[in-house]
Amino acid sequence: GAVVSQHPSRVICKSGTSVKIECRSLDFQATTMFWYRQFPKKSLMLMATSNEGSKATYEQGVEKDKFLINHASLTLSTLTVTSAHPEDSSFYICSAAQQLGYTFGSGTRLTVV
Amino acid sequence: AQSVTQPDIHITVSEGASLELRCNYSYGATPYLFWYVQSPGQGLQLLLKYFSGDTLVQGIKGFEAEFKRSQSSFNLRKPSVHWSDAAEYFCAVGARGNEKLTFGTGTRLTIIP
Repeated sequence: GAVVSQHPSRVICKSGTSVKIECRSLDFQATTMFWYRQFPKKSLMLMATSNEGSKATYEQGVEKDKFLINHASLTLSTLTVTSAHPEDSSFYICSAAQQLGYTFGSGTRLTVV
Repeated sequence: AQSVTQPDIHITVSEGASLELRCNYSYGATPYLFWYVQSPGQGLQLLLKYFSGDTLVQGIKGFEAEFKRSQSSFNLRKPSVHWSDAAEYFCAVGARGNEKLTFGTGTRLTIIP
């Protein structure tokens, strides 16, 4: 079946640094990918929708300059958290859209210290 | 705007007992409905989905769900739960193709011996 590989699974970074999270569709082409953020014991909140070759569409309240999304190829989308702060600590999950559903990555636990 | 309600935040059932997790949705057109399961610190695994056709959908791990348009519901059921079913369960609604998913707030399932 379709697989989305998300890396890293865990990352700890210092405040003020940037962190890049990658999502790759391994056996299919993902024209559209979604990036979600999940707070502890909470649901998934959509951050942005990325389409290959175009600018991402951000949800209301999401800082596009802080959460940079790049979808340069049909198999790779990246989320870069810039100038990270402790409040950016969270679980980030990507998802690739397919004709008959969605495939999720395994998530990235970001801790900013 | 589309929305999903999972009225039960936390459910506890005995191993071997039956289970029903509730999901109500609001969507302007014919919805695509999904149930996902998430273990702690993990990504989401698709249990089942409904696009059209038979309103009783069979999924993995012995789960099933029934789409009831008149009640705007898509409840998840399992006749006999196993300790390994303990997890967080999310109902989601989306549309065809590359539309974003909207998630419910999740139901945490605890299994007692």
